[in-house]
Amino acid sequence: DGGITQSPKYLFRKEGQNVTLSCEQNLNHDAMYWYRQDPGQGLRLIYYSQIVNDFQKGDIAEGYSVSREKKESFPLTVTSAQKNPTAFYLCASSIVTGLVYGYTFGSGTRLTVV
Amino acid sequence: GEDVEQSLFLSVREGDSSVINCTYTDSSSTYLYWYKQEPGAGLQLLTYIFSNMDMKQDQRLTVLLNKKDKHLSLRIADTQTGDSAIYFCAEKTSYDKVIFGPGTSLSVIP
Repeated sequence: DGGITQSPKYLFRKEGQNVTLSCEQNLNHDAMYWYRQDPGQGLRLIYYSQIVNDFQKGDIAEGYSVSREKKESFPLTVTSAQKNPTAFYLCASSIVTGLVYGYTFGSGTRLTVV
Repeated sequence: GEDVEQSLFLSVREGDSSVINCTYTDSSSTYLYWYKQEPGAGLQLLTYIFSNMDMKQDQRLTVLLNKKDKHLSLRIADTQTGDSAIYFCAEKTSYDKVIFGPGTSLSVIP
């Protein structure tokens, strides 16, 4: 079955550490996205990529970095510069043109700073 | 700028109808979506409506769109406990950006 896989499901980070969240899709979608979800604030876009080797900053990119070396993969690194990283992180993908069918989401990674 | 607004909480009794409302600001939106998020999970696309439609029905779900007032609603008939979740409204803007609302947490009382 096609879908998006995020790993790990839970992640704990110490102060000052960088951590990388994995996102892999086998839907042959061109575009991939990273969102951060905080209670009562909905989804905020961190980064997105519409094609391999290219990505764009979203609304809250500071303290995060991404890469898109393969169509299937879009890992997100939460750097030590992100002052409040505790949140639920969602990866999504879509066909670039039309977006009629919306986004397909992964099951999320919950990151906690300890 | 663009914005999508929803009330944050809704509580209904099992068997009643639920109506979740959403307002958006971009009058050029082309598609509008409803997503469902169960606890600890990602978002699942429930339904979508083209901006040139007024209504779309899909089993227990009815979507109504009032373009003049930029108002979208999702009606769930015969609400069940399994419908308890967070429901997100989203719009696709004229320049291909998707804006999500804050989500409405639906609680179904047995």
